[in-house]
Amino acid sequence: AQSVTQPDARVTVSEGASLQLRCKYSYSATPYLFWYVQYPRQGLQLLLKYYSGDPVVQGVNGFEAEFSKSNSSFHLRKASVHWSDSAVYFCAVSPLTGANTGKLTFGHGTILRVHP
Amino acid sequence: EAAVTQSPRNKVAVTGGKVTLSCNQTNNHNNMYWYRQDTGHGLRLIHYSYGAGSTEKGDIPDGYKASRPSQENFSLILELATPSQTSVYFCASGDPGQGDQAPLFGEGTRLSVL
Repeated sequence: AQSVTQPDARVTVSEGASLQLRCKYSYSATPYLFWYVQYPRQGLQLLLKYYSGDPVVQGVNGFEAEFSKSNSSFHLRKASVHWSDSAVYFCAVSPLTGANTGKLTFGHGTILRVHP
Repeated sequence: EAAVTQSPRNKVAVTGGKVTLSCNQTNNHNNMYWYRQDTGHGLRLIHYSYGAGSTEKGDIPDGYKASRPSQENFSLILELATPSQTSVYFCASGDPGQGDQAPLFGEGTRLSVL
């Protein structure tokens, strides 16, 4: 079975600071990995996704993530955060192939608060 | 523009009552999903569908039914609502068979069962 762990329930940073949100996954085969963001009272929006190629993948709004097979991790980063980045961030994993492709398993989410 | 629309956005129900949550997608996606979101649990998959007429159990299907009468519509049904089903419910659509592995989510339905 696949699982995702986001070890930090809450992260607080100052505007302009760099950011890293951690994600560890457990999956026996090649995973498809995602980061989603949820703004207050809204649905989830895709930030980026990865399954192969350059382990650093670029997403929207200046976000990037780095895949590490050896560490089973897919950490999200941003060089300089803005107060509008305050939201809940979810890491998710899906099988790359097979009948269960597209069925995402989510972490519990990390609440990001950016001080203006 | 691709969209997933959920209705209602907010719902208050009584214990033991029947609740139907509706979802419509204009993306022509084959797959549709229902998740619930609870603090400390993230999103958990309740039911999903591969196309019209198809419904499959997800990870937490107990107490829920699903219906997919058409490509565009996917409903979640609580026959006998309980307070433990108070949650935020998200519908999503996707087409992994066409290389679209990242589901597109609706805005959510906030359900309170009193």
